[in-house]
Amino acid sequence: DIQMTQSPSTLSASVGDRVTITCRASQSISSWLAWYQQKPGKAPKLLIYKASSLESGVPSRFSGSGSGTEFTLTISSLQPDDFATYYCQQYNSYWWTFGQGTKVEIK
Amino acid sequence: EVQLVQSGAEVKKPGESLKISCKGSGYSFTSYWIGWVRQMPGKGLEWMGIIYPGDSDTRYSPSFQGQVTISADKSISTAYLQWSSLKASDTAMYYCARRSSSWAGVFDYWGQGTLVTVSS
Repeated sequence: DIQMTQSPSTLSASVGDRVTITCRASQSISSWLAWYQQKPGKAPKLLIYKASSLESGVPSRFSGSGSGTEFTLTISSLQPDDFATYYCQQYNSYWWTFGQGTKVEIK
Repeated sequence: EVQLVQSGAEVKKPGESLKISCKGSGYSFTSYWIGWVRQMPGKGLEWMGIIYPGDSDTRYSPSFQGQVTISADKSISTAYLQWSSLKASDTAMYYCARRSSSWAGVFDYWGQGTLVTVSS
């Protein structure tokens, strides 16, 4: 299986901050990477697919970049609704795997 | 509006059987793969398997092969996840999700989750 490693595991930030989360794959996955947001007690929500394509309806403050083994999710100006846990997920090959998650907390 | 509505929370004893459901609406249920994801308490997300309701083609993650059964009844637009003999370690939230029509491995709509608690 391809291992996905996110950093940091926890991130403390304030409203208005620029936030960057990194996701590394154990082998090249081209651009076959998605990002999901999960709030406590809720299902994951798709934010980004194919590394940098924004899902319909997702605010433009979210962006993704990268290819190969290193990827980033950036929130340009953190909003109160963005405090959540974020997961990357590779879909280059079966079986798809998620990173361990990055929790974005209020500073 | 696309919706996936899952069955309610379950409390079971070790060794009991269980089948939880995921009903799709607002789209052609037979044309999209449905996947199941496990989230153990306080932990991350794990893919369990997927099914194509149109022909019941099913794929299992090696970690879950033989541990669960995924099925679908296209006549009622419902997918299922079942266990024949639950263990305490099956305690988790289980989500179903619809796979994107364009991108294999991308899941664009999710059910609200079904909490399964297995305790003696």
